[in-house]
Amino acid sequence: EAQVTQNPRYLITVTGKKLTVTCSQNMNHEYMSWYRQDPGLGLRQIYYSMNVEVTDKGDVPEGYKVSRKEKRNFPLILESPSPNQTSLYFCASSPTGGIAKNIQYFGAGTRLSVL
Amino acid sequence: SQQGEEDPQALSIQEGENATMNCSYKTSINNLQWYRQNSGRGLVHLILIRSNEREKHSGRLRVTLDTSKKSSSLLITASRAADTASYFCATMKTSYDKVIFGPGTSLSVIP
Repeated sequence: EAQVTQNPRYLITVTGKKLTVTCSQNMNHEYMSWYRQDPGLGLRQIYYSMNVEVTDKGDVPEGYKVSRKEKRNFPLILESPSPNQTSLYFCASSPTGGIAKNIQYFGAGTRLSVL
Repeated sequence: SQQGEEDPQALSIQEGENATMNCSYKTSINNLQWYRQNSGRGLVHLILIRSNEREKHSGRLRVTLDTSKKSSSLLITASRAADTASYFCATMKTSYDKVIFGPGTSLSVIP
């Protein structure tokens, strides 16, 4: 089954404790992306990646890191989480060619609470 | 930077009625997409319309794009209770650029 898998689904942590949220897709998509969703603000893109070893900042990259060492994986790293990073996070992937070009497929989301 | 803005923020209609949501954006785009989200779950793609297209249909969904007004509308005809969800528009300036979402429209369809 074609899917984007995020782990964990729920995470409670404390300020300053480094964490990684994993994202994996099995559709051979070139484009991958991370978003955070906060009430009243819609989804805001954190980082995106056009392909392996290519990453770019979205609208809210501060406090986050990403890497794209393999095409299928795009982990989101919070080196020193703070309470303002409490949010619902989504990973998404999309092809950059073909009939489904730019159509994004979303993971189920990771709800993060930073205390 | 907020590219897309949906209007209205919330919409409540009776089952069987049509629902129209609007999206405005600020800069030129390559494509505009509409997504649906059910209560905190992942987003599901509905329709993508490219800048050289004016209208697209998919089942009960109709999307229009007016690049001169920098706006798009999503029409859901003969709405059902199952259409209750939040709807978001998203734009890309190019096919290889960042994606900008609007704040969304919350649709409630009353049985």
